[in-house]
Amino acid sequence: SSELGQSPSVSVSPGQTASISCSGDKLAYKYASWYQQKAGQSPVLVIYQDTRRPSGIPERFSGSKSGNTATLTISGTQAIDEADYYCQAWDTNGLYVFATGTKLTVL
Amino acid sequence: EVQLVESGGGLVKPGGSLRLACAASGFTFNNAWMNWVRQAPGKGLEWVGHVKSNADTGTKDYAAPVNGRFTISRDDSKDTVYLHMNSLKTEDTAVYYCTTAPPYARYFDIWGQGTLVSVSS
Repeated sequence: SSELGQSPSVSVSPGQTASISCSGDKLAYKYASWYQQKAGQSPVLVIYQDTRRPSGIPERFSGSKSGNTATLTISGTQAIDEADYYCQAWDTNGLYVFATGTKLTVL
Repeated sequence: EVQLVESGGGLVKPGGSLRLACAASGFTFNNAWMNWVRQAPGKGLEWVGHVKSNADTGTKDYAAPVNGRFTISRDDSKDTVYLHMNSLKTEDTAVYYCTTAPPYARYFDIWGQGTLVSVSS
């Protein structure tokens, strides 16, 4: 299997930039996707294939990757961005894997 | 409107069985790879399994914790995917989400609202 690691929590002030990282073995050779899940709601895809943003997702959400670490960046963070964020890729068998998630707090 | 609506959740005793359904609308269901993802109370997301489109072999794959106990099926005539759960354990308690993945894309673009399965004596 291929585990993905994320920091449990990140805090940011409104208007500042939040960065959430995800690391995993051989992630450099796989695409990372990111999901936002607000309290009591279903997950929403915010970034796919490392850097692509689905239609309807605000431009302040961006993705990048360097080596085995993928990063979700939220520029000009707003209170409505407070949520859990999950990174996802796949394992050596080609089956989907989620990281444990990062709780973003907007102070 | 693109939509996935799950149903069938409820309370079941350990060792029991349950069938979840997910009705799709607003997109071409028979081209979609359909997945189930679960989330235990207060925990993160866990992929359960998927069924590929029949055009892409209709292959089914499962996560190790459910392999041999859970089965996914699809009925393209009804735009519905099912999750058949047998030999349920307390650790299967979770909200179960239906979600789609574009063929070979390996990400989940549409999610349902989820249905809660509680396994308890």
